[in-house]
Amino acid sequence: AQTVTQSQPEMSVQEAETVTLSCTYDTSESDYYLFWYKQPPSRQMILVIRQEAYKQQNATENRFSVNFQKAAKSFSLKISDSQLGDAAMYFCAVTREGSQGNLIFGKGTKLSVKP
Amino acid sequence: GAGVSQSPSNKVTEKGKDVELRCDPISGHTALYWYRQSLGQGLEFLIYFQGNSAPDKSGLPSDRFSAERTGGSVSTLTIQRTQQEDSAVYLCASSPMGQVNQPQHFGDGTRLSIL
Repeated sequence: AQTVTQSQPEMSVQEAETVTLSCTYDTSESDYYLFWYKQPPSRQMILVIRQEAYKQQNATENRFSVNFQKAAKSFSLKISDSQLGDAAMYFCAVTREGSQGNLIFGKGTKLSVKP
Repeated sequence: GAGVSQSPSNKVTEKGKDVELRCDPISGHTALYWYRQSLGQGLEFLIYFQGNSAPDKSGLPSDRFSAERTGGSVSTLTIQRTQQEDSAVYLCASSPMGQVNQPQHFGDGTRLSIL
């Protein structure tokens, strides 16, 4: 079965510092999409950033950027200048093989931000 | 109606009872997804609707689970003869056309607790 692995159940970062969350995945597709979602205690999943597999350039959204290594099937999220509001569960997801938009999610990383 | 709306927000019921969970997607979104999130876990795909096509039910864990989508808009997820292992947060998401490059927009979820 297709899997997404987030090897860090919990991470902690000092406010204003940088933190990197790791994610590895498997897929037999050559073209697919990768996503990072944030889930605060309110439960709503919020899209943080997405990456198209055929694009070599790493996606960036303000303080959030990814390190996409296609050959290694690695998709890490870097958060710069961490803020208290960044504290949440972060989920990595990849499009499901043969699907039309269905996603396979990792188990998540709980990020704490210390003031 | 800006976002995906789910109701109820919380549901507590006794083992063996039937429950219905409702999802109202973003207006104009043709794709609708249901996921289940058990405590400390990622999201588990349940079912996917795209327009008038037959739904993808491949993620439903048992025949006690069913879902329908009336008029291509509102969806209801029904769980019959609930069991304690059904306790979880049920999340609904929608996207404009269900294509792999379109991010899913999530509701706040329904927290289901089976006593």
